[in-house]
Amino acid sequence: EDKVVQSPLSLVVHEGDTVTLNCSYEVTNFRSLLWYKQEKKAPTFLFMLTSSGIEKKSGRLSSILDKKELFSILNITATQTGDSAIYLCAVQGAQKLVFGQGTRLTINP
Amino acid sequence: KAGVTQTPRYLIKTRGQQVTLSCSPISGHRSVSWYQQTPGQGLQFLFEYFSETQRNKGNFPGRFSGRQFSNSRSEMNVSTLELGDSALYLCASSLAGGQQSGGIQYFGAGTRLSVL
Repeated sequence: EDKVVQSPLSLVVHEGDTVTLNCSYEVTNFRSLLWYKQEKKAPTFLFMLTSSGIEKKSGRLSSILDKKELFSILNITATQTGDSAIYLCAVQGAQKLVFGQGTRLTINP
Repeated sequence: KAGVTQTPRYLIKTRGQQVTLSCSPISGHRSVSWYQQTPGQGLQFLFEYFSETQRNKGNFPGRFSGRQFSNSRSEMNVSTLELGDSALYLCASSLAGGQQSGGIQYFGAGTRLSVL
């Protein structure tokens, strides 16, 4: 059965810290890995990764995929209180998108 | 361009009732997927519709059903509600190929269903 596992499930840090969120997967016929940010209701799209070793970057956020070891990381540098959210990792297999449990990130001022 | 719109935003029902949720995708998107989100289980895939046809289905009982109209709008129905159906129901749309082509899914704000 397809599986996506995120760690840690919860993380509390101080503003300005750098955080790394992890996502490992076992999915048949991998197509892509996506990261979403969910603050209140609607998950908003952050990155889609399809190729190993190529970093995607947007401001203070960056992500990279390792297709050999079947994992991805999401880095956030110089965190701000507005980064507090649930971060979801999802992997697109042959038929459907499979989500991990999410990492709840809390940034304290 | 308007995003994915879900109505209603909140619903309160009692056990045994049925409910219908609505989702209007982003203009031009033909694929609509539905998910159930609960604190314990995370985001669980319900089904995907593409060009008015159900293309894929998750592991949910037959009480959960859906349909898609010719304008790509989709509805999800849950019959004989149970307490465990209380959840946030999210709808996502994507461009032409939908999930099978690996396209990015864009989510609506969801419908919060409470079953008493």
